[in-house]
Amino acid sequence: DGGITQSPKYLFRKEGQNVTLSCEQNLNHDAMYWYRQDPGQGLRLIYYSQIVNDFQKGDIAEGYSVSREKKESFPLTVTSAQKNPTAFYLCASNSRGGVNTEAFFGQGTRLTVV
Amino acid sequence: DAKTTQPPSMDCAEGRAANLPCNHSTISGNEYVYWYRQIHSQGPQYIIHGLKNNETNEMASLIITEDRKSSTLILPHATLRDTAVYYCIVRAEYGNKLVFGAGTILRVKS
Repeated sequence: DGGITQSPKYLFRKEGQNVTLSCEQNLNHDAMYWYRQDPGQGLRLIYYSQIVNDFQKGDIAEGYSVSREKKESFPLTVTSAQKNPTAFYLCASNSRGGVNTEAFFGQGTRLTVV
Repeated sequence: DAKTTQPPSMDCAEGRAANLPCNHSTISGNEYVYWYRQIHSQGPQYIIHGLKNNETNEMASLIITEDRKSSTLILPHATLRDTAVYYCIVRAEYGNKLVFGAGTILRVKS
């Protein structure tokens, strides 16, 4: 079945450590996105990529880094520079153009800094 | 991308129609209106989208005003499982990033 997969579902990190969240899709989508969601809040865009080997900062990119070496994969690294990393992280993908450009979301990774 | 304005919360009785409004007064001619919903602690789910004509699918109907400055998502017979946060987004057809607002919390009550 086609879809978008995030792993792990839950992640614990010690303060000061970098951690990488995985996002893989087999939908042949060009565009991929990373969002952060805090309790009771909406989704805020961290980074997005419209094509392989290219990505742009979203609204809250500080303390995060990404790579897009393959069309299927868009990993997010939460660095030690991110001051408040505990949150729910969502990855999404969609096609860049055409009529049907609905986005598909993964089930999220809940990151907790301990 | 044009910004959207939605009420923070709404209540609806089970079995009744839920009408969720969205204002997008700065929408451009090539921007579509998309609706998603997010059930607690899950990834958002696509519901419906449209450009200027009204749209209907198995989940909902989308009514867009003639001037395209606002729209309404209609869930014809709301159930308890429709309790979620509903997001209205406007986005151009090609290449633009997907930006979410705060959404509307819909509470369906028995």
